[in-house]
Amino acid sequence: NAGVTQTPKFQVLKTGQSMTLQCAQDMNHNSMYWYRQDPGMGLRLIYYSASEGTTDKGEVPNGYNVSRLNKREFSLRLESAAPSQTSVYFCASKTIQNTEAFFGQGTRLTVV
Amino acid sequence: TQLLEQSPQFLSIQEGENLTVYCNSSSVFSSLQWYRQEPGEGPVLLVTVVTGGEVKKLKRLTFQFGDARKDSSLHITAAQPGDTGLYLCAGSVFFNDYKLSFGAGTTVTVRA
Repeated sequence: NAGVTQTPKFQVLKTGQSMTLQCAQDMNHNSMYWYRQDPGMGLRLIYYSASEGTTDKGEVPNGYNVSRLNKREFSLRLESAAPSQTSVYFCASKTIQNTEAFFGQGTRLTVV
Repeated sequence: TQLLEQSPQFLSIQEGENLTVYCNSSSVFSSLQWYRQEPGEGPVLLVTVVTGGEVKKLKRLTFQFGDARKDSSLHITAAQPGDTGLYLCAGSVFFNDYKLSFGAGTTVTVRA
């Protein structure tokens, strides 16, 4: 089972460039999430999608947009990358409330 | 300020010692989860606690959910080097079961 697949694994951007991080899950989960992880900050929620067709802001949404393309896919877009967006990004999915969230391997993004 | 506050941020102990990690909030949670993360990987679920006052044991790990559903603790007995990792608590508040927030994490190092 592939689980949660994120692409790319590594990316270097110049300030002002745009890019989309892709995430797909094959577990038929309803909810999907995007987090960023910085040293000493744990995982901070950027956006989440409770179910197909809905998206909501998390704790740190500024500078990001998301699209829940279908039940399987949830993408994260940086329209104009800034050095402050240098981080490791994780996508996660889960089914109903109080169940385990499954994570992808992460995308290490550097903005120079 | 994150919704879930974890303490301590770092913990370094000798093999065979015990340790406790705390997760606190001013909000009431429908459930709290504990995850463990290895370098270069996404977090993996250890346990979910749902009922106030609940205690769950997983081999040498004991998890407790506070009576008021605002805090949780993770206790490791006779720690081993294999317990080394980043421990994260996560939860969803009662009024939004889909929004999964994480604490900043506790980095545990067990020395042989």
